[in-house]
Amino acid sequence: GENVEQHPSTLSVQEGDSAVIKCTYSDSASNYFPWYKQELGKRPQLIIDIRSNVGEKKDQRIAVTLNKTAKHFSLHITETQPEDSAVYFCAASRSPGEYGNKLVFGAGTILRVKS
Amino acid sequence: GAVVSQHPSRVICKSGTSVKIECRSLDFQATTMFWYRQFPKKSLMLMATSNEGSKATYEQGVEKDKFLINHASLTLSTLTVTSAHPEDSSFYICSAVIWGQGSSRKTQYFGPGTRLLVL
Repeated sequence: GENVEQHPSTLSVQEGDSAVIKCTYSDSASNYFPWYKQELGKRPQLIIDIRSNVGEKKDQRIAVTLNKTAKHFSLHITETQPEDSAVYFCAASRSPGEYGNKLVFGAGTILRVKS
Repeated sequence: GAVVSQHPSRVICKSGTSVKIECRSLDFQATTMFWYRQFPKKSLMLMATSNEGSKATYEQGVEKDKFLINHASLTLSTLTVTSAHPEDSSFYICSAVIWGQGSSRKTQYFGPGTRLLVL
């Protein structure tokens, strides 16, 4: 089955700096890679996702890159702000919604943005 | 936007009782819902996949008689923790996959979670 590794487990950055979180996956058939942000006691919120037909996707200060050959994908947050502080989870799956397919999550990264 | 709700948000119960948690998709139909369990400072652990109109698929190590799942309609799945014990205390989160146009449009959204404390 799929295995997702996420690094680093904690990341502290100064406000305004960039933050990068990296994940690797094992199932070459995985084609959907979402990133979730979870604040303490709250639900995971989808912040960006990428599908295997593209190599990069950007939404304002957040971008995700995907390298299918190396089976890794990364989250990039630029101009970090204190409100970016949270736990971030990467995940991978085969086509979501199709029978038997399920998201496998990384262990999470605690991001602290220091002001 | 897509909304997934859960009820209750928090529950405290005595050991030995059963607790039912509801997961609803509010503005879309969800043929598939997932139930996760999350311990403090840990990742989400998939417990089971809930399929509308059929039996749930449980992950290895999850007792199906302990965690009963019923997905009776396209907008509701329930998780019942039977004969709860203190070790069942956890944060339980459901999620639903939006039925979009083609598999490339399907995305998974999470409910707000239910914090269960068993005394």
